[in-house]
Amino acid sequence: DAGVTQSPTHLIKTRGQQVTLRCSPKSGHDTVSWYQQALGQGPQFIFQYYEEEERQRGNFPDRFSGHQFPNYSSELNVNALLLGDSALYLCASSLGQGDTEAFFGQGTRLTVV
Amino acid sequence: DQQVKQNSPSLSVQEGRISILNCDYTNSMFDYFLWYKKYPAEGPTFLISISSIKDKNEDGRFTVFLNKSAKHLSLHIVPSQPGDSAVYFCAASLNDYKLSFGAGTTVTVRA
Repeated sequence: DAGVTQSPTHLIKTRGQQVTLRCSPKSGHDTVSWYQQALGQGPQFIFQYYEEEERQRGNFPDRFSGHQFPNYSSELNVNALLLGDSALYLCASSLGQGDTEAFFGQGTRLTVV
Repeated sequence: DQQVKQNSPSLSVQEGRISILNCDYTNSMFDYFLWYKKYPAEGPTFLISISSIKDKNEDGRFTVFLNKSAKHLSLHIVPSQPGDSAVYFCAASLNDYKLSFGAGTTVTVRA
């Protein structure tokens, strides 16, 4: 049983560009959350998707958007990249609405130059 | 607004001894607390959790203690093993929604 898988594992982008990160949840899970982990910090909640809708959102600008597909996989899109967007982006999946029993993927390391 | 704080960025402990990791929080409404372990190039993995209605939860070598009046929780690992060397994150949740994480404590277990 595959766990949470994220792609790509590493990515380098230039300031001002747009990026799309992808996440496939653990089998049987229907909820996907995205977290940003900057260097030396803990993960920060970006948003959560359930039944293809954004249910909760953290303190991130509108440049960060997402989508959930009917198969429960999800994408995180970031527009107009800033140097400060460089971070590890983690996807977490769970069954139901909560993250307290979520499984995390290995993350996508985004570097903005 | 950092609602969960881990004030010790690192901890070094000898193999076989006890590791104690501390975590403080500011939001008294949090009702569930978790500890995660993270190795390099991997995502966080769930370690142990505790509900706000309890003050202790034990799972093998891992015990979490919750002091609600002090808004403080701790993770005890005994005995510490080399494989325990990792970054440990404290997290808190309200109504089973998003997780609020601390900045993490890097544990190094010395042989």
